[in-house]
Amino acid sequence: GDSVTQMEGPVTLSEEAFLTINCTYTATGYPSLFWYVQYPGEGLQLLLKATKADDKGSNKGFEATYRKETTSFHLEKGSVQVSDSAVYFCALSENRDDKIIFGKGTRLHILP
Amino acid sequence: EPEVTQTPSHQVTQMGQEVILRCVPISNHLYFYWYRQILGQKVEFLVSFYNNEISEKSEIFDDQFSVERPDGSNFTLKIRSTKLEDSAMYFCASTPPGHNEQFFGPGTRLTVL
Repeated sequence: GDSVTQMEGPVTLSEEAFLTINCTYTATGYPSLFWYVQYPGEGLQLLLKATKADDKGSNKGFEATYRKETTSFHLEKGSVQVSDSAVYFCALSENRDDKIIFGKGTRLHILP
Repeated sequence: EPEVTQTPSHQVTQMGQEVILRCVPISNHLYFYWYRQILGQKVEFLVSFYNNEISEKSEIFDDQFSVERPDGSNFTLKIRSTKLEDSAMYFCASTPPGHNEQFFGPGTRLTVL
């Protein structure tokens, strides 16, 4: 079945460092790909998404590119802030209105 | 901005008791979902609901679980006889028509003693 694998956390970086969180997926079809973020004490929020190969999703300085050839959707940010500290989930959905399949999540700590 | 809300934020119950977790999806959304996250593990799909019936359910969603949309605004998850392994964070989500983005609530933490 479909699955998502993302790098283990926690990831600890200093403020203004470059961030990469790796994510790869396995799917039978052409899924949509997502990054969700969970700030402390809050629910899951959609950070960005991409619906087809080579699409780049971006939001709040974060970017991820849908790479079909490597089945990857790595999350990057050029300069992280303390306020980016959260848990980040890579996810996929095969079809519109379909269930979302999540990775295990990566906890990110940004030190001032 | 409209949000998905869930109540209660934390529920503690004894093993074998029934619990009802409540969600109010965003008003014009048509698809509704429940997910759970056992501490330290991934978020797992439980069930999806559309047009007043279950559209898909996972292996986790056995006969102990049921969902209902009793009054056009609330969407509930009932666990008939809770087990210790039901302890988890339960998330409700909803999707507007024609979209694949799901909007999640803040979750209910269920602790079964």
